[in-house]
Amino acid sequence: ETGVTQSPTHLIKTRGQQVTLRCSSQSGHNTVSWYQQALGQGPQFIFQYYREEENGRGNFPPRFSGLQFPNYSSELNVNALELDDSALYLCASSLRTSGTDTQYFGPGTRLTVL
Amino acid sequence: AQKVTQAQTEISVVEKEDVTLDCVYETRDTTYYLFWYKQPPSGELVFLIRRNSFDEQNEISGRYSWNFQKSTSSFNFTITASQVVDSAVYFCALSEAQYGGATNKLIFGTGTLLAVQP
Repeated sequence: ETGVTQSPTHLIKTRGQQVTLRCSSQSGHNTVSWYQQALGQGPQFIFQYYREEENGRGNFPPRFSGLQFPNYSSELNVNALELDDSALYLCASSLRTSGTDTQYFGPGTRLTVL
Repeated sequence: AQKVTQAQTEISVVEKEDVTLDCVYETRDTTYYLFWYKQPPSGELVFLIRRNSFDEQNEISGRYSWNFQKSTSSFNFTITASQVVDSAVYFCALSEAQYGGATNKLIFGTGTLLAVQP
């Protein structure tokens, strides 16, 4: 158990809708990262939040946005959903130290866009 | 650019066989970190090991062992006496060292599906 939780477990949306995915980090972790994992692929980095500010973004359009809250929770918001957004969305929490962090992942949210 | 290659898409073994999962990485950084994660059917990525680029000592943890070789840019993972519970997708990942608040992102390979038959 990593202590990282995500909700909901599964979600079905239609094209054009908006969705919010939630993550609760391990207590004391000040960094949260979000990844998108398409079927049969490795996770792709979406963005990272450190102390409630965005701290790096991968190759994802602005309709992917996020928030990190002081209580170790965070959100991933996706607007104007497209069929290709169907994937497993993983959040990972970590404690920022020098060198690099070890990221601990939640169970993911499976998003299906119809 | 950073890249991780896991050339083995699927491996099937019979219980108690040893199996090695290959990982080859590319980076221009002199300081970097390598990771292995396990993803069972439930979907959660489980952290297995982290290695920094200055530590080429092999690591053994129970039935698991890791062989890091900078000369060949490889970080291979061996499971000894495999068990059915080892069945999962295994991911190798690379991260650059972060300084001054730089982003700490993981670059993943495409994963290797390991099926251990009873």
